[in-house]
Amino acid sequence: GQSLEQPSEVTAVEGAIVQINCTYQTSGFYGLSWYQQHDGGAPTFLSYNALDGLEETGRFSSFLSRSDSYGYLLLQELQMKDSASYFCASSNTNAGKSTFGDGTTLTVKP
Amino acid sequence: NAGVTQTPKFQVLKTGQSMTLQCAQDMNHNSMYWYRQDPGMGLRLIYYSASEGTTDKGEVPNGYNVSRLNKREFSLRLESAAPSQTSVYFCASRTSPGGSYNEQFFGPGTRLTVL
Repeated sequence: GQSLEQPSEVTAVEGAIVQINCTYQTSGFYGLSWYQQHDGGAPTFLSYNALDGLEETGRFSSFLSRSDSYGYLLLQELQMKDSASYFCASSNTNAGKSTFGDGTTLTVKP
Repeated sequence: NAGVTQTPKFQVLKTGQSMTLQCAQDMNHNSMYWYRQDPGMGLRLIYYSASEGTTDKGEVPNGYNVSRLNKREFSLRLESAAPSQTSVYFCASRTSPGGSYNEQFFGPGTRLTVL
């Protein structure tokens, strides 16, 4: 089976940096994705790591350590619009199936 | 491009009724997925189709069936709805099942209530 753990809630202030961690236990692990979901909306893709290391996309970065079964999403220069739920998702080699964590609700305060 | 579209957006059923949720994508993607999301939870995979002509079970397939009608369309059917199936249902697609790029594109969701 596959499972992912991430904190349920994180709070930060506008302009700050926040890190959302994700640990996983999966078979046939292929890579780790991150998605953002605003209330009532559809998840949207943020980042993907197949190899160890850091991937940077604008204000968002994602990191993966396969040996530690661990990854994180780093959000810099937080804005109010970043308040949302963030999900990590592992994909395996079998037809690209993904397993999602339960999500981290990020609240950005002024 | 419309991306991934889903119909209906909202639906209320009575226990025991049946219905089909429709999903279509216009991105020429090979793989399509059906997820359900319960309040405060992540997405759980119901069924997926790695390519046209194939379907397979995900984590929570019981009570559902799917049809990959063609490359564009992937439908989800509830044969006899139960209150436990009250949820938001998302359809998603991606370009290919393998490879290093893993982005899934999601539809807007169908909010289903079973009374």
